Amino acid sequence: EAQVTQNPRYLITVTGKKLTVTCSQNMNHEYMSWYRQDPGLGLRQIYYSMNVEVTDKGDVPEGYKVSRKEKRNFPLILESPSPNQTSLYFCASSHGTASYEQYFGPGTRLTVT
Amino acid sequence: AQTVTQSQPEMSVQEAETVTLSCTYDTSESDYYLFWYKQPPSRQMILVIRQEAYKQQNATENRFSVNFQKAAKSFSLKISDSQLGDAAMYFCAFNGGATNKLIFGTGTLLAVQP
Repeated sequence: EAQVTQNPRYLITVTGKKLTVTCSQNMNHEYMSWYRQDPGLGLRQIYYSMNVEVTDKGDVPEGYKVSRKEKRNFPLILESPSPNQTSLYFCASSHGTASYEQYFGPGTRLTVT
Repeated sequence: AQTVTQSQPEMSVQEAETVTLSCTYDTSESDYYLFWYKQPPSRQMILVIRQEAYKQQNATENRFSVNFQKAAKSFSLKISDSQLGDAAMYFCAFNGGATNKLIFGTGTLLAVQP
């Protein structure tokens, strides 16, 4: 089954404790992206990757890191989480151009206290 | 910069009736794609319908159709014969340019009354 998986689905952590949210896709997509969803703001792109070892900032990259060492995986790293990073996070993947549908993971609810 | 605006934070419709959700966008690009995504309480993002800007014909998927007005930069979603399962948050989204970035509106929460 074609899918994007994220782990964990729920996470409660404390300020400053490094964490990683994993994202994996099994569709051989070149493009992967991370979004955060906040009430009243919709979804905003954090980082994206056009292919292995190619990543770039989206609209809200501060406080986040990513890497793309393998085509299927695109982890999101919060090295020192803060309460303003409490949000719902989505990973998405697609073939490389705007005409293709982006497939979303199930979301990760992160709470930073 | 591209922007997407959904001016209706909440809408309500009776079961079996028709409802239209509004979306406007701003861009200087001529080639782009527009999408409606549905987010039910499960939070999963589900693609409802897609429109290519170069196509004049409005996209249709079963009970879902769009009214795409390129000159007015308007992209509304019409849901016909509304069902209880249509209750969800609906996001309008724009994608254009090399970064393949989806730009989302703030969403419209649709309630379906039995």
